[in-house]
Amino acid sequence: NAGVTQTPKFRILKIGQSMTLQCAQDMNHNYMYWYRQDPGMGLKLIYYSVGAGITDKGEVPNGYNVSRSTTEDFPLRLELAAPSQTSVYFCASSPGTTSSYEQYFGPGTRLTVT
Amino acid sequence: AQSVAQPEDQVNVAEGNPLTVKCTYSVSGNPYLFWYVQYPNRGLQFLLKYITGDNLVKGSYGFEAEFNKSQTSFHLKKPSALVSDSALYFCAVILRPYGGSQGNLIFGKGTKLSVKP
Repeated sequence: NAGVTQTPKFRILKIGQSMTLQCAQDMNHNYMYWYRQDPGMGLKLIYYSVGAGITDKGEVPNGYNVSRSTTEDFPLRLELAAPSQTSVYFCASSPGTTSSYEQYFGPGTRLTVT
Repeated sequence: AQSVAQPEDQVNVAEGNPLTVKCTYSVSGNPYLFWYVQYPNRGLQFLLKYITGDNLVKGSYGFEAEFNKSQTSFHLKKPSALVSDSALYFCAVILRPYGGSQGNLIFGKGTKLSVKP
């Protein structure tokens, strides 16, 4: 299994540009998540999904959008990039069963907006 | 407000000595608690969890953690530190909303562990 994969690894955007961060998992997990990690701030939840076609906002959703058309994929869309969106973005997944709550993380995408 | 606190930004330990990374929480109800580790330029890796049962839980790489309900703590420990344990450690708690859904992880700010030879 590849686990959780993310592309790209690095990206530099100009203010106002848009992009999609890709995330895929091959573990047949129901739950998927997007986090951002800022220095000294831990991880903040942006959006999450409990299954294909179902998404919901997390703690910091402004400026982002998501979709979940398949179990495997959970892309994160940034519209009109702003410097405040400079961060490291992590995608994660979890089985969504009552016996297993741990999340499995991808390697991250480092985004700089200038 | 429900939260997780890691009071130390950095912990320095000599190789071979025991290590403790502290975590306290403030949540209503019964918490589900987790420790994750992040090596440089990598994603987070699950170490261990407390859901219910024995207060002392054992996890990967020789780590263990003790759930203390009266002190609302979940400190991470290892009897003998290795240089390769140097990394960023995150404590996290699940806030489980009504309706039985799985809930979402709330993370502490992280503690950098440095183990010197």
